[in-house]
Amino acid sequence: DTEVTQTPKHLVMGMTNKKSLKCEQHMGHRAMYWYKQKAKKPPELMFVYSYEKLSINESVPSRFSPECPNSSLLNLHLHALQPEDSALYLCASSQGWGAGELFFGEGSRLTVL
Amino acid sequence: QQQVKQSPQSLIVQKGGISIINCAYENTAFDYFPWYQQFPGKGPALLIAIRPDVSEKKEGRFTISFNKSAKQFSLHIMDSQPGDSATYFCAAGIQGAQKLVFGQGTRLTINP
Repeated sequence: DTEVTQTPKHLVMGMTNKKSLKCEQHMGHRAMYWYKQKAKKPPELMFVYSYEKLSINESVPSRFSPECPNSSLLNLHLHALQPEDSALYLCASSQGWGAGELFFGEGSRLTVL
Repeated sequence: QQQVKQSPQSLIVQKGGISIINCAYENTAFDYFPWYQQFPGKGPALLIAIRPDVSEKKEGRFTISFNKSAKQFSLHIMDSQPGDSATYFCAAGIQGAQKLVFGQGTRLTINP
């Protein structure tokens, strides 16, 4: 069982909706990540939070808004998405700074109509 | 420079055979090379990782071979089993950079 929990597992939304994806980890990790994965493609990094501060934003459109309320929680707020934003959104965490083992959640499958 | 090239895109191996997936990189600053395994409907999970101070690392049936001079690394799965059928991603990273560069993935099918 994954130790990174993501909700919801599936989400369908219209282009005018506002929704949020949530991620939680209780491993004491201090870095948390959002990745986007399209079918048959590798994960693409979107955002990284280190010690609850945004450290990397991979030029993601502003219709995606990340939030890190505390060291265990990570949210991704969605607004005015496009159909091409339909994808699997993966949350991950790692211990501290640097390229080490990433622990991924099972993802939230997003469909934008 | 930041790319990691992975081959083949797909691979079919008979049960009990050896599965081999290859990756190549250009950036000599990379110092961390993990392999991730992803089953349908699941997130990727770390399988095995290597740093460039060793040429080989083995964990059970899984072995990473690393060739620093050729800037290549590969995953060998010995005695491949149907349960190994999954998509495998190689990746490369730099300690302190917090960003992994993933290969394009290999869809592995083990026929019973």
